[in-house]
Amino acid sequence: GAVVSQHPSRVICKSGTSVKIECRSLDFQATTMFWYRQFPKQSLMLMATSNEGSKATYEQGVEKDKFLINHASLTLSTLTVTSAHPEDSSFYICSARDTNQETQYFGPGTRLLVL
Amino acid sequence: SQQGEEDPQALSIQEGENATMNCSYKTSINNLQWYRQNSGRGLVHLILIRSNEREKHSGRLRVTLDTSKKSSSLLITASRAADTASYFCATRDYGQNFVFGPGTRLSVLP
Repeated sequence: GAVVSQHPSRVICKSGTSVKIECRSLDFQATTMFWYRQFPKQSLMLMATSNEGSKATYEQGVEKDKFLINHASLTLSTLTVTSAHPEDSSFYICSARDTNQETQYFGPGTRLLVL
Repeated sequence: SQQGEEDPQALSIQEGENATMNCSYKTSINNLQWYRQNSGRGLVHLILIRSNEREKHSGRLRVTLDTSKKSSSLLITASRAADTASYFCATRDYGQNFVFGPGTRLSVLP
């Protein structure tokens, strides 16, 4: 099946710093990628939808200036958590939609810990 | 907003038993998908069932969909310890919105 990678898989940073997470579709082109956040023992919550070459669409309650999304190519989307705080600590998962628009393939996730 | 709602939230069974998880949703859907997530890992797509389908099989997995009741079930037969994971349903509506349920944590005891 299609493969989506994320980098880094784990990051620890100090409060106030910015962290960039990359999401790549390895063997297919993804015009749409999605970013989710998952807190422990909870479900995935959609943060934003990223369309190649256009601005991301953010879900209600997600600060677009804090979570910067760039989808510069058909295989790469990045999420930058700006001025991270401890409450931003979470598991961030990206996914990419394949060409038939039915199945979303998920990356392995990035665990962010902000000290 | 949450669309799919799974029950039970947690399920513990013995190896070899069958595990059934249910998912309910509120709006009309294009398809419903089941995913599995091992602790601290990404999601693995298990099966997709379209709104015009009633049942689908894949190996030890059996998924049913009842659009009149807006519900779906995932049955894992002859469970194994390696099936221990969280299972999520996700619905896609005709607007391409994709929403996850809260998940069922399955523990299969050896």
